[in-house]
Amino acid sequence: GAVVSQHPSWVICKSGTSVKIECRSLDFQATTMFWYRQFPKQSLMLMATSNEGSKATYEQGVEKDKFLINHASLTLSTLTVTSAHPEDSSFYICSAKPTGVANEKLFFGSGTQLSVL
Amino acid sequence: GQNIDQPTEMTATEGAIVQINCTYQTSGFNGLFWYQQHAGEAPTFLSYNVLDGLEEKGRFSSFLSRSKGYSYLLLKELQMKDSASYLCAVRDPPRGNTPLVFGKGTRLSVIA
Repeated sequence: GAVVSQHPSWVICKSGTSVKIECRSLDFQATTMFWYRQFPKQSLMLMATSNEGSKATYEQGVEKDKFLINHASLTLSTLTVTSAHPEDSSFYICSAKPTGVANEKLFFGSGTQLSVL
Repeated sequence: GQNIDQPTEMTATEGAIVQINCTYQTSGFNGLFWYQQHAGEAPTFLSYNVLDGLEEKGRFSSFLSRSKGYSYLLLKELQMKDSASYLCAVRDPPRGNTPLVFGKGTRLSVIA
């Protein structure tokens, strides 16, 4: 099956620093990737839709200047949490669907646990 | 918009059967997904129902009634490793490269 690679798996950083998370589709092309955030014991909440070659679409309440998304190729999307603060500590997961395949399930990366001190 | 509702927590005994319900209200519909998620890990795909009825896959089965906006996930012969969160999800809007919208998840605890 399709594989989505996400790294790092976990990161601990100081408040005020920036953290970049990478999401790669290893054996398929993905015009669109999705970034979710999950707080403890809560469900996955969509943050933004990452579109190859164009600007990301952010969900209501998600700051686009804080969560920078770049989708530079059909297999790579990055999420940068800028000036991270403790309230940004969460589990971030990317997902992708192979381009051109209708009604296909999403494939998820392994997630990144971010802890901001 | 969409509204997806499922119970927050359930507990069941090892070897038993458990049914996790999900109701949804969406502006359109193009299938319902069930995912399993262990703590700190990414969700793993369990099932996808687009037509009414029951689909069986080993110990797991999933049912859909589009007219009622209702689905359930049935887990048989429960094992301790089945302790996890089970997420019901739909694609909204129901076309193309749109994201999955998840319910809040049902945390299942399997006890001896």
